[in-house]
Amino acid sequence: AAGVIQSPRHLIKEKRETATLKCYPIPRHDTVYWYQQGPGQDPQFLISFYEKMQSDKGSIPDRFSAQQFSDYHSELNMSSLELGDSALYFCASSFQGGDSPLHFGNGTRLTVT
Amino acid sequence: AQSVAQPEDQVNVAEGNPLTVKCTYSVSGNPYLFWYVQYPNRGLQFLLKYITGDNLVKGSYGFEAEFNKSQTSFHLKKPSALVSDSALYFCAVRDFENQGGKLIFGQGTELSVKP
Repeated sequence: AAGVIQSPRHLIKEKRETATLKCYPIPRHDTVYWYQQGPGQDPQFLISFYEKMQSDKGSIPDRFSAQQFSDYHSELNMSSLELGDSALYFCASSFQGGDSPLHFGNGTRLTVT
Repeated sequence: AQSVAQPEDQVNVAEGNPLTVKCTYSVSGNPYLFWYVQYPNRGLQFLLKYITGDNLVKGSYGFEAEFNKSQTSFHLKKPSALVSDSALYFCAVRDFENQGGKLIFGQGTELSVKP
């Protein structure tokens, strides 16, 4: 079965640079979510999109933005990177119904030096 | 606000013994509860869910979870642990306060199964 695809798997950037993370959800899923997981931490919700419209916003810094495109893939754009942005970034997709689990990609490990 | 708590940072069990990973929840309305497992540098894999119905829910890899409304708990269990079960386990609740139904995770419990 198709899974959530994230690219790249690893990304190394310097402080103050920008980064773009991509996510391709499972076909026909209507909602995409972005999460940030720091070392030894639980995943923290950043933002979600339902049918290409932003549906909820969590602890996402103003330096970050995201969007979902007409083909349902999503991108997380991160600017003015800081050392503290180093983390695993996960994308997940689901149907919005409450009984539908979120399916996660394998994540992008971002290292800011 | 919806939340879940995992009171144990780490659980150690011997292979072949039963295991329990604890989770308690605090929700307004009906709880939509989930368990996920995470292996090193990997995404979270769905194990099982409770939405409604039987309090004992069966999931992947022989795991099950018991929903207890009076104790507001949703503990993950397995009758006989395997070394390969060693991983990080997260309890989660779906939050529909805002549109989208995001998952809110507990702090995670590191399960270590020794031969």
